[in-house]
Amino acid sequence: DIQMTQSPSSLSASVRDRVTITCQASQDIRSHLNWYQQKPGKAPKLLIYDASNLETGVPSRFSGSGSGTDFTFTISSLQPEDFATYYCQQYDNLPLTFGGGTKVEMK
Amino acid sequence: QVQLQESGPGLVKPSQTLSLTCTVSGGSISSGSYSWSWIRQPAGKGLEWIGRIYSSGSTNYNPSLNSRVTITVDTSKNQFSLKLSSVTAADTAVYYCARDNWGPLYTSSDIWGQGTLVTVSS
Repeated sequence: DIQMTQSPSSLSASVRDRVTITCQASQDIRSHLNWYQQKPGKAPKLLIYDASNLETGVPSRFSGSGSGTDFTFTISSLQPEDFATYYCQQYDNLPLTFGGGTKVEMK
Repeated sequence: QVQLQESGPGLVKPSQTLSLTCTVSGGSISSGSYSWSWIRQPAGKGLEWIGRIYSSGSTNYNPSLNSRVTITVDTSKNQFSLKLSSVTAADTAVYYCARDNWGPLYTSSDIWGQGTLVTVSS
């Protein structure tokens, strides 16, 4: 299985901060990476697909980049509704695997 | 718009079979370039992909669960289902169904059900 390592596992930030999360794959996954947001008690929501493509309806403050083994997810200006847990997911190989998650908390 | 809804028992005894159904509304399970997945999440933990099915009936499963998992589709009812046999407490989790959208070079789970908690306990 491809291991997805997210860092940090948690972070504290303030509204309007720039937030960056990284995701490292245990082998080359090309651009085959998605990013999801999950709020407590809710299902994950797709934000970014294929490493850098913004899902329809998702605010442009969210972005993703990277290819191969190293990927970055950025929130350019953190908003109150963005406090949540974020997961990366690879789909280059089966089984699909997720990173461990990054919890973004209010400072 | 397309919506997914999980249903099934919230409590399953150890060694028995967990059975869940996902009902798709607002669109046909047979149309478009989609597959249909099950994902689970133990309390306070991360996400684990269980497997997926295409409207043709072909499946992919997570090898960690492979021998215990069966995913089926009923296109006449616009539903797909999960069976997980020989459950233990480790299978206690929120189970989500999701639609996988396939593009030319990508796939992503773009629509999710709300999730259903299944507890394995005697």
